[in-house]
Amino acid sequence: KQEVTQIPAALSVPEGENLVLNCSFTDSAIYNLQWFRQDPGKGLTSLLLIQSSQREQTSGRLNASLDKSSGRSTLYIAASQPGDSATYLCAVEWNTGGFKTIFGAGTRLFVKA
Amino acid sequence: NAGVTQTPKFQVLKTGQSMTLQCAQDMNHNSMYWYRQDPGMGLRLIYYSASEGTTDKGEVPNGYNVSRLNKREFSLRLESAAPSQTSVYFCASSEESPLHFGNGTRLTVT
Repeated sequence: KQEVTQIPAALSVPEGENLVLNCSFTDSAIYNLQWFRQDPGKGLTSLLLIQSSQREQTSGRLNASLDKSSGRSTLYIAASQPGDSATYLCAVEWNTGGFKTIFGAGTRLFVKA
Repeated sequence: NAGVTQTPKFQVLKTGQSMTLQCAQDMNHNSMYWYRQDPGMGLRLIYYSASEGTTDKGEVPNGYNVSRLNKREFSLRLESAAPSQTSVYFCASSEESPLHFGNGTRLTVT
């Protein structure tokens, strides 16, 4: 069964700290992995997409890495800011006779000013 | 270019009532999805459609039916709503990747 797990479920850090969010998945034959941000009561905003052939992607203060063999991805946020407070969701896509995407439960991040 | 459009945005139902959530995308994507989101549980896949004319069950299909009306539209139907179906429902589409989401439908079943 294809599953996605995110650790920790919640995280509180002081402003300026560098932090790492973790995502693990079963079935390493993934098609791609995507990180999303969701603000309370809002929809999902795509942050980074890593294709299965890639090892990492970077956008500004965000860096996402992918290790398919171990079934893991990390989202690194540098110099965190209060505006980074949100829920971060990891989504893994498999192509098993059709594209199917499974989400992790998310990590709720709170950055204290 | 509207992307993925969901209607309605909000809905309140009484137990046993039925309703259909509508979703349309204008990006010519083959794949479309319905997810529900509950507090602390992330998004769970209800049904998906890999292409026009096909639909498959996801993680939590019980109590729902779907119709892929054409390439643009993918509807989700609750035949007899239950309080356990109170949730936020998201429709998404993709052409291999990445996922594009609608803004969600907040459904309350009393």
